[in-house]
Amino acid sequence: AQSVTQPDIHITVSEGASLELRCNYSYGATPYLFWYVQSPGQGLQLLLKYFSGDTLVQGIKGFEAEFKRSQSSFNLRKPSVHWSDAAEYFCAVGSNAGGTSYGKLTFGQGTILTVHP
Amino acid sequence: GAVVSQHPSRVICKSGTSVKIECRSLDFQATTMFWYRQFPKKSLMLMATSNEGSKATYEQGVEKDKFLINHASLTLSTLTVTSAHPEDSSFYICSAASDTQYFGPGTRLTVL
Repeated sequence: AQSVTQPDIHITVSEGASLELRCNYSYGATPYLFWYVQSPGQGLQLLLKYFSGDTLVQGIKGFEAEFKRSQSSFNLRKPSVHWSDAAEYFCAVGSNAGGTSYGKLTFGQGTILTVHP
Repeated sequence: GAVVSQHPSRVICKSGTSVKIECRSLDFQATTMFWYRQFPKKSLMLMATSNEGSKATYEQGVEKDKFLINHASLTLSTLTVTSAHPEDSSFYICSAASDTQYFGPGTRLTVL
């Protein structure tokens, strides 16, 4: 069964500082990996996704993530955090059901990001 | 592009009543939609996979008679919470599958 672990429940950083959110996954085959962001009371917005190819993936809002197969990790990074980045971040792993990119998603527990001015 | 809407965004109902939540893909067709439930300060839990023109596939532990899913067209899936009780209060989120899953804004259900 696939699973995702986000070890950090809550992270606080200062505005302008760098950010790394950790994500470890368990999946039997080549995973499809995603990072989503959720603001309070809102749905999820896709930040970036990895299906294959270059292991360093660029996303929206200046985020990037690196797929490391040997470590079963897909950590999210941003070089300089803005106050508007404060939200909850979810890592997810998906199956490539029938060769599609939208099989069932399994989500991690989420990491709440607080940004201090 | 790839916008998914949900209606209503917020609903309060009395215990024992039924509530219907709509999920629409506004600018693309989706043969597959998913329904998730999110408890406070918790992650999303997949409830069921909704396929247009066929019966939904429910995850283990999800009562199919309580959470009725209908995927009547390529742009609309509905979730009906039947005989709702306070423990059904939650944030329900749908997603529609295109090149990836696009999520709706969620529906906050409160059962009194």
